[in-house]
Amino acid sequence: GNSVTQMEGPVTLSEEAFLTINCTYTATGYPSLFWYVQYPGEGLQLLLKATKADDKGSNKGFEATYRKETTSFHLEKGSVQVSDSAVYFCALSPFGNEKLTFGTGTRLTIIP
Amino acid sequence: GAVVSQHPSRVICKSGTSVKIECRSLDFQATTMFWYRQFPKQSLMLMATSNEGSKATYEQGVEKDKFLINHASLTLSTLTVTSAHPEDSSFYICSASQQGNYGYTFGSGTRLTVV
Repeated sequence: GNSVTQMEGPVTLSEEAFLTINCTYTATGYPSLFWYVQYPGEGLQLLLKATKADDKGSNKGFEATYRKETTSFHLEKGSVQVSDSAVYFCALSPFGNEKLTFGTGTRLTIIP
Repeated sequence: GAVVSQHPSRVICKSGTSVKIECRSLDFQATTMFWYRQFPKQSLMLMATSNEGSKATYEQGVEKDKFLINHASLTLSTLTVTSAHPEDSSFYICSASQQGNYGYTFGSGTRLTVV
């Protein structure tokens, strides 16, 4: 079956530090890959996505590249801000199927 | 943008009672709604998928008689946890999608505690 393995948290970084949250997946075929973010007290929001190999999704300074050879979709940001503190979820959706499979989520805390 | 309102955000109930959680799409018609639950330090697990006007499709291992899902309109889906027990305590979250629009909008989730 499909699965997503995500870096365990919590992760605490200083402001302006470089961020990487690892995500690897197992799936048949060519799934679409997503990163969702959940700010305190809010619903999950789509942060970025990639639908095919070598695609790079980007938004709000975050980036992730769909690497089929390593089945990975690591989330990166060059300089984090306090406002980036949230829980980040990696997810996949099989091609042509709307169901999302999520990772466990990584809580990120940025300290000034 | 698309907004999904989910409430209550937190609920505490006594064992044996039923709890209803509502999920509303505020500015779009949600042809499909998904219900998830999340245990501490675990993934969001899909419980069921519901399409407006039809019966929900439950994932393997989810008791459909315990977790009643109703999707009576294009803007409202409800999840009722019947005869709740402490092991039903969890975080429940809904998401909605529009037909032809490949995207999901999530509610803010409901923390259920059964005592």
